[in-house]
Amino acid sequence: AQSVTQLGSHVSVSEGALVLLRCNYSSSVPPYLFWYVQYPNQGLQLLLKYTTGATLVKGINGFEAEFKKSETSFHLTKPSAHMSDAAEYFCAVTPSGSARQLTFGSGTQLTVLP
Amino acid sequence: DTGVSQDPRHKITKRGQNVTFRCDPISEHNRLYWYRQTLGQGPEFLTYFQNEAQLEKSRLLSDRFSAERPKGSFSTLEIQRTEQGDSAMYLCASSNQREGLGIEQFFGPGTRLTVL
Repeated sequence: AQSVTQLGSHVSVSEGALVLLRCNYSSSVPPYLFWYVQYPNQGLQLLLKYTTGATLVKGINGFEAEFKKSETSFHLTKPSAHMSDAAEYFCAVTPSGSARQLTFGSGTQLTVLP
Repeated sequence: DTGVSQDPRHKITKRGQNVTFRCDPISEHNRLYWYRQTLGQGPEFLTYFQNEAQLEKSRLLSDRFSAERPKGSFSTLEIQRTEQGDSAMYLCASSNQREGLGIEQFFGPGTRLTVL
């Protein structure tokens, strides 16, 4: 069984400040990990994914995430927030090797203050 | 590559009516997934297909829910005898997963269902 916990359902940052969105997972097998972004009334867009290899992965729009096995974490960061980053962010997990359905966290709503 | 499309985008129905949603995946994607998203929650997996075969359907919420992908291309999700608790966003996703590659799922814009 797998589960995802996103700490902080709402995060506010000032424009230009560091963005840090937290994700912890529970998985009985090595996981593949994903971050998706959702804008209002739209579907989900993939930001980045971790499968194997380098634990620091870079995605679109300046986001990156680091897989830390010892901490079972996959936190999402961006050095400098932009107004256009305001959206809902979802962390998701699927079993490696037989990737099938995604298990999502409950999401973090990011607000960027001017 | 025109992306995953879903139709309709919005559906309002009365309790007890049947509804059907359509999903057109990205061309040549062999896997198609259905998820449900309620307000303030992440998407919840319902079912998925590899080509025309439905490989997982135990997570469908009740026997009122059914899905098909008859020719391995588009898919339909039907809800019979709708209830107010069925009100949600229904998301479709597709992937071109072969031999462990292409695992990322591409999502459509969703169909928002409101049951009155």
